[in-house]
Amino acid sequence: AQTVTQSQPEMSVQEAETVTLSCTYDTSESNYYLFWYKQPPSRQMILVIRQEAYKQQNATENRFSVNFQKAAKSFSLKISDSQLGDTAMYFCAFMQGGSEKLVFGKGTKLTVNP
Amino acid sequence: KAGVTQTPRYLIKTRGQQVTLSCSPISGHRSVSWYQQTPGQGLQFLFEYFSETQRNKGNFPGRFSGRQFSNSRSEMNVSTLELGDSALYLCASSTRPGLAGRSTDTQYFGPGTRLTVL
Repeated sequence: AQTVTQSQPEMSVQEAETVTLSCTYDTSESNYYLFWYKQPPSRQMILVIRQEAYKQQNATENRFSVNFQKAAKSFSLKISDSQLGDTAMYFCAFMQGGSEKLVFGKGTKLTVNP
Repeated sequence: KAGVTQTPRYLIKTRGQQVTLSCSPISGHRSVSWYQQTPGQGLQFLFEYFSETQRNKGNFPGRFSGRQFSNSRSEMNVSTLELGDSALYLCASSTRPGLAGRSTDTQYFGPGTRLTVL
């Protein structure tokens, strides 16, 4: 069974600074996808970024980028120029290719301070 | 394009009752997945429906069931409610290209239904 581990339960960062959230996963599959979702206090789960395991290039979406280390099974999220609106729970998630079952980590609570 | 909608947003029930939650996917999405979110267990996969058929199921008791209609809307039912069923129930939809291959679309989530069991 696949597992996802987020080792940082809480983090804080000052506005405009950069922060990195860690995620490791365990799988024997070769075809899989990794995601970062954010869940603000409103509870709506929002996709931040997605990475296909077969792609060596790290995904980026504006201020959000990932460091995908396939051999190490590591998938960290970097948030640049942090904004107050980035305050949320961030979940790392794994999906085996062809399935529709997301396996989530426990989440990291990120607070951006003014 | 409208997002995933879930009704109702909040529910209060008592132990032993049953409850039905509804989810309408994004237009064109035929796969609906359900997740339970609790402080203790985190986010856990309940089941997935595609083309009115359950395609995948998580490790939950038979009291949790679901169905999907021909318009892709899905309902989830929990019978004989227990205190531990209090949770945020999230629904997500996708196009599910994986049925014909091994690719995966992104799941988009609804706002959730907050169920409280007293």
